[in-house]
Amino acid sequence: ILNVEQSPQSLHVQEGDSTNFTCSFPSSNFYALHWYRWETAKSPEALFVMTLNGDEKKKGRISATLNTKEGYSYLYIKGSQPEDSATYLCAFRNDYKLSFGAGTTVTVRA
Amino acid sequence: EAGVAQSPRYKIIEKRQSVAFWCNPISGHATLYWYQQILGQGPKLLIQFQNNGVVDDSQLPKDRFSAERLKGVDSTLKIQPAKLEDSAVYLCASSFQGGELFFGEGSRLTVL
Repeated sequence: ILNVEQSPQSLHVQEGDSTNFTCSFPSSNFYALHWYRWETAKSPEALFVMTLNGDEKKKGRISATLNTKEGYSYLYIKGSQPEDSATYLCAFRNDYKLSFGAGTTVTVRA
Repeated sequence: EAGVAQSPRYKIIEKRQSVAFWCNPISGHATLYWYQQILGQGPKLLIQFQNNGVVDDSQLPKDRFSAERLKGVDSTLKIQPAKLEDSAVYLCASSFQGGELFFGEGSRLTVL
């Protein structure tokens, strides 16, 4: 079992504010780091698949960074909107297995 | 492009009864996953198929859970007999060559 930790478990953000949260994972046998967004009553959807140390990816107001040597990734949401309310899951892939963290649940208050 | 299809969406059963979930992955995706997501926890991999072969089933409780992917396309996950702690969302996902996962909407199981 691969140890993937996400923090915080949940957070509340005022609309318009920016926020970020962390995923930590084993620093050995790294293959890829995935981020997914899971909105209530919907399927989890992929945000990013990151493979290289130092990778930075961006999709609209959401961006992510990756540090494979120290085993962490940050997800940033700039100018949070109510539609950003969701659980954000990260998943670490070694050579064959993808293991998920417990997620960070973001609630954006209008 | 059609997404990952799962059924049923919801199922309520008594403990010791049996239940089966069905998944049809995206066409052409060789890898199929079944995850169990208990409230407050991350998805836990139950079984991973590559075509019709099992890649990883190390966390599948084999005394009560079984899964098959005959012909390397759709898959069924069965629980027999169910326990209270099996109440969870069962997510099916598929991927192409180890890339991002595409998830179905999940099957929510409640065991009473």
